[in-house]
Amino acid sequence: AQSVTQPDIHITVSEGASLELRCNYSYGATPYLFWYVQSPGQGLQLLLKYFSGDTLVQGIKGFEAEFKRSQSSFNLRKPSVHWSDAAEYFCAVADGNKLVFGAGTILRVKS
Amino acid sequence: DGGITQSPKYLFRKEGQNVTLSCEQNLNHDAMYWYRQDPGQGLRLIYYSQIVNDFQKGDIAEGYSVSREKKESFPLTVTSAQKNPTAFYLCASSIGLLWGAKNIQYFGAGTRLSVL
Repeated sequence: AQSVTQPDIHITVSEGASLELRCNYSYGATPYLFWYVQSPGQGLQLLLKYFSGDTLVQGIKGFEAEFKRSQSSFNLRKPSVHWSDAAEYFCAVADGNKLVFGAGTILRVKS
Repeated sequence: DGGITQSPKYLFRKEGQNVTLSCEQNLNHDAMYWYRQDPGQGLRLIYYSQIVNDFQKGDIAEGYSVSREKKESFPLTVTSAQKNPTAFYLCASSIGLLWGAKNIQYFGAGTRLSVL
């Protein structure tokens, strides 16, 4: 079975600092990868996706992610974090007819 | 506005009771999904449906049932057989099941179910 690992349960960064959230996946073929964001008590919003092509993908809200096949990683980055970015972030891989999600990383932003 | 509507936002279940969570979409999507979210566990797939009158079990279907009588509706029933139903339930939809650049899953705002 495919799996997704998000090693960091919580991350705290200062407002204006850079951010990197880690994601590692287990998948035999070329994966379809996603990052979603969830505010407390809300549904999930898609930040970005990777299907093929350029390994650096741009998303909404100033986020980007880089697909590295050699490391089985799809880390999410943002150069300057805003207080409104505080939320939970989920990495996911498509597996047949479903998405397999990581356990999530909770981002806290210090002012 | 197009989107996915889940209701109610909060739901309480008594012992031995079945409860039904509503999910409606006006995106004209063929595929719909139900996920369960528990703290620290991410989302786990309960059921999914590719077309009307057809649905498939996901990873944790025991204690749950669904129906798909209309394209826009995919209600989830949490039965009394589900012994630990307290969780956040999310409904999603996509154009279809085959993955591609346009086949993204969109999520509703969720229903929080608690046991009295």
